[in-house]
Amino acid sequence: DQQVKQNSPSLSVQEGRISILNCDYTNSMFDYFLWYKKYPAEGPTFLISISSIKDKNEDGRFTVFLNKSAKHLSLHIVPSQPGDSAVYFCAALTSGGNTGKLIFGQGTTLQVKP
Amino acid sequence: DTAVSQTPKYLVTQMGNDKSIKCEQNLGHDTMYWYKQDSKKFLKIMFSYNNKELIINETVPNRFSPKSPDKAHLNLHINSLELGDSAVYFCASSHGGQGHLGQFFGPGTRLTVL
Repeated sequence: DQQVKQNSPSLSVQEGRISILNCDYTNSMFDYFLWYKKYPAEGPTFLISISSIKDKNEDGRFTVFLNKSAKHLSLHIVPSQPGDSAVYFCAALTSGGNTGKLIFGQGTTLQVKP
Repeated sequence: DTAVSQTPKYLVTQMGNDKSIKCEQNLGHDTMYWYKQDSKKFLKIMFSYNNKELIINETVPNRFSPKSPDKAHLNLHINSLELGDSAVYFCASSHGGQGHLGQFFGPGTRLTVL
C-alpha cells in the first residue's frame, strides 16, 4: 500500500527555468511533509518541510506547496541550476512522541540542462 | 567531521553468512533509524531507536537485529543472509519528536548477497 506516490520518475528542465516536482499521498493523518535530495552514492539530504496546517513554505530557491483537499504537494525550484540534478524524494511524517516515522515516495530524477 | 557515518560502504557476501553494519552519529541526536532502499529505489524504514530504546520495528524478518550500545551508535546485524537482502541500507538520526526538522542520513551501505 503506497501511501506516498511520486508518479513522475523523471523530469528534465533547462537551467534557469522552474522545476516542479509533484507528490500525492493517501493518509490524511500525516503531520508533516518533507523533501529530500539524493545524489548517487550518497544518503538523502533534507531540503525543506511543511506542516500539514500550512499551504506554503519557502526557503531560498525552494518552495513547497501543500493542497490538503487534493492530498497533493509540490516542490518548486526557481531558478533551476545544473547542481540541482539529483533524485528528489517526497516523504510524509507521522509524528507523535518520538516515533518520527518517515514514509517515502519512490523518487523523481531531475535533470537540469545547462 | 562526518555527521552520520556507516561502515562498511560496500559489503559483498555469500548466502547464509552473518554480517553487521555499523552506524555512528556525532550530531548529539537521541533518535536513530535504519532504512532499506530496495532495487526499485523505495526507501522504507526498518527500525527506530530513541535513547537506546526500540521505538519502531516494521515488518522485518527477525534475522535482522539492531543494537544500540549508546545514543550515538545503532548497528545492524543480519543473520543467515538471503538473496533478497541485497539492497542499500541507510542509517539516519534526528532529535526525537522533531522529525519535521529532517532526519540526517548516512552515505549508505550497499549489501550484495551472492
